[in-house]
Amino acid sequence: AQTVTQSQPEMSVQEAETVTLSCTYDTSESNYYLFWYKQPPSRQMILVIRQEAYKQQNATENRFSVNFQKAAKSFSLKISDSQLGDTAMYFCAFSPGNTPLVFGKGTRLSVIA
Amino acid sequence: NAGVTQTPKFRVLKTGQSMTLLCAQDMNHEYMYWYRQDPGMGLRLIHYSVGEGTTAKGEVPDGYNVSRLKKQNFLLGLESAAPSQTSVYFCASKGWSNQPQHFGDGTRLSIL
Repeated sequence: AQTVTQSQPEMSVQEAETVTLSCTYDTSESNYYLFWYKQPPSRQMILVIRQEAYKQQNATENRFSVNFQKAAKSFSLKISDSQLGDTAMYFCAFSPGNTPLVFGKGTRLSVIA
Repeated sequence: NAGVTQTPKFRVLKTGQSMTLLCAQDMNHEYMYWYRQDPGMGLRLIHYSVGEGTTAKGEVPDGYNVSRLKKQNFLLGLESAAPSQTSVYFCASKGWSNQPQHFGDGTRLSIL
């Protein structure tokens, strides 16, 4: 079975600091896609960043970057210069081949002023 | 530019009642999905569709039915609602296999 594990149910960070959210997954597929979604209190699901497994280079989107370790099946999200608006639930998800996304249970991030 | 629209946004049902949740997308996407979100459980896939006229079961399909008669619409039905189906329901769509999913704003459903 394909699984995604987010080992940190809750985290907090001071405004302007850096925080890393961890994610590991399990699959026997070699080609897949990885995503981080953000869910603020408004309940919307917002795509933060994505990574294709065949690409060696880690994806970055402004203050958000990932550390993708394919051999270790690890896909962590780093948020730099944290802002109050980053307060949200963060979900790691992956899609092996052309199958539906499998989600982790989420990490609740609080940014403290 | 509506994206993915879910109707209704909130609903309260009594046990045993039936209802249909509507998901509509205007992006000409092939793939559509229904998830439920419960506290501490993340998002779990109920049913999905890989194209007009097709449906498939996800992780938690029991008690739900779906239909995809038109490409732009994906309907989720509860024939006899149970309190265990109290949840937030999300619809999502995507165009191709390597694209991210686009989500609707969710439907909060309470069953008393």
